[in-house]
Amino acid sequence: SQQGEEDPQALSIQEGENATMNCSYKTSINNLQWYRQNSGRGLVHLILIRSNEREKHSGRLRVTLDTSKKSSSLLITASRAADTASYFCATGANSKLTFGKGITLSVRP
Amino acid sequence: DARVTQTPRHKVTEMGQEVTMRCQPILGHNTVFWYRQTMMQGLELLAYFRNRAPLDDSGMPKDRFSAEMPDATLATLKIQPSEPRDSAVYFCASGSADKNTGELFFGEGSRLTVL
Repeated sequence: SQQGEEDPQALSIQEGENATMNCSYKTSINNLQWYRQNSGRGLVHLILIRSNEREKHSGRLRVTLDTSKKSSSLLITASRAADTASYFCATGANSKLTFGKGITLSVRP
Repeated sequence: DARVTQTPRHKVTEMGQEVTMRCQPILGHNTVFWYRQTMMQGLELLAYFRNRAPLDDSGMPKDRFSAEMPDATLATLKIQPSEPRDSAVYFCASGSADKNTGELFFGEGSRLTVL
């Protein structure tokens, strides 16, 4: 069963807009990670945030983590058509990584 | 350019046949994961290894699935006998971790179709 659940399931935005994706999880974690998957490809790691961190940045990505609410958000600023992909949150605990079902992001040129 | 290599990329087989998928993790990585991806279930963790030892294979149907790491450069996932419901994309991922799982590097997947 999935530990993380992403919200919304699908998101369509215009190029240049920001995209915000949310993830909720159920049990204690060591870290939370976000991955991207382009159609027909493997997953690619985007960013990792540890349980004692609240916010992290990487280029156009900003991730927040609220362990009291068991939730995380991924913000992609100034989106590009190339950001079109599925995005997954994954929770790390007890040596294993469990994924949610993903969010499909479409960025219209 | 280090990457996880999976073979075959595509496999079509008939129900009842044995299927073996192979994975070459990134050299130096000590953890290997097998995931199955379907539209309905998303990404399911089947099994994972650390330092070649199986840590958890509770996500795997034991009667037909088996996962092994004969050596540090090869991980295998075998299905015998295969069934149509096994049709999915199977991903192998490797990483470097002592206690907590960090970033994983995924292969391109093996797309299995069982007729």
